[in-house]
Amino acid sequence: EVQLVESGGGLVQPGGSLRLSCAASEFTFRTYEMNWVRQAPGKGLEWISHISIGGSTKYYPDSVKGRFTISRDDAKNSLFLQMNSLRAEDTAVYYCVRLYTSSSGKAFDIWGQGTMVTVSS
Amino acid sequence: EIVLTQSPGTLSLSPGERATLSCRASQSVSSSYLAWFQQKPGQAPRLLIYGASSRATGIPDRFSGSGSGTDFTLTINRLEPEDFAVYYCQQYAGSPFTFGPGTKVDIK
Repeated sequence: EVQLVESGGGLVQPGGSLRLSCAASEFTFRTYEMNWVRQAPGKGLEWISHISIGGSTKYYPDSVKGRFTISRDDAKNSLFLQMNSLRAEDTAVYYCVRLYTSSSGKAFDIWGQGTMVTVSS
Repeated sequence: EIVLTQSPGTLSLSPGERATLSCRASQSVSSSYLAWFQQKPGQAPRLLIYGASSRATGIPDRFSGSGSGTDFTLTINRLEPEDFAVYYCQQYAGSPFTFGPGTKVDIK
């Protein structure tokens, strides 16, 4: 079964750091663009990072730019999100998401189960 | 930044009825880069429609998408009990890859 499994969430103090990991299985990870999406408690979805095939191109929204870094290790079928200078508003469930591309379009087709990050003192 | 607006915020319907959900973009979005997702409480979102009108794998044909430019629609024919959920549209035309605020479809 095609699967993404996140880990690394937890409780961290404001200003602290956390590194999330996402393990991919049952698909050729290196051939897909990947993303992170988060969802604050009771709120909607927010895209927070994108990485290209090979890892040379990365995008972030202004809300996390300069604080978060996405990376990938294709040899280990893994995606990462390094989060620094964490704020209370970063509290959310973080999802690892695969980007599917076809002749009909692009979309986030496979989502992990999510990992909770709580930023609080 | 492309802002997506969804309406209505909440749609109260009975099983068997048709749901029509709207997603409006602040600027034109290529149909190739407009998708719809369903999310139930405590679960990750699930891809329903991509390319504005293509159903994802395993999605029943009561779900359909349409639209172009700045106006897109998700239609759910003959609502089933498992369809009551929150629905999000998303554009992947340009960074940031924004989501709409969602439409909640609940049981009347």
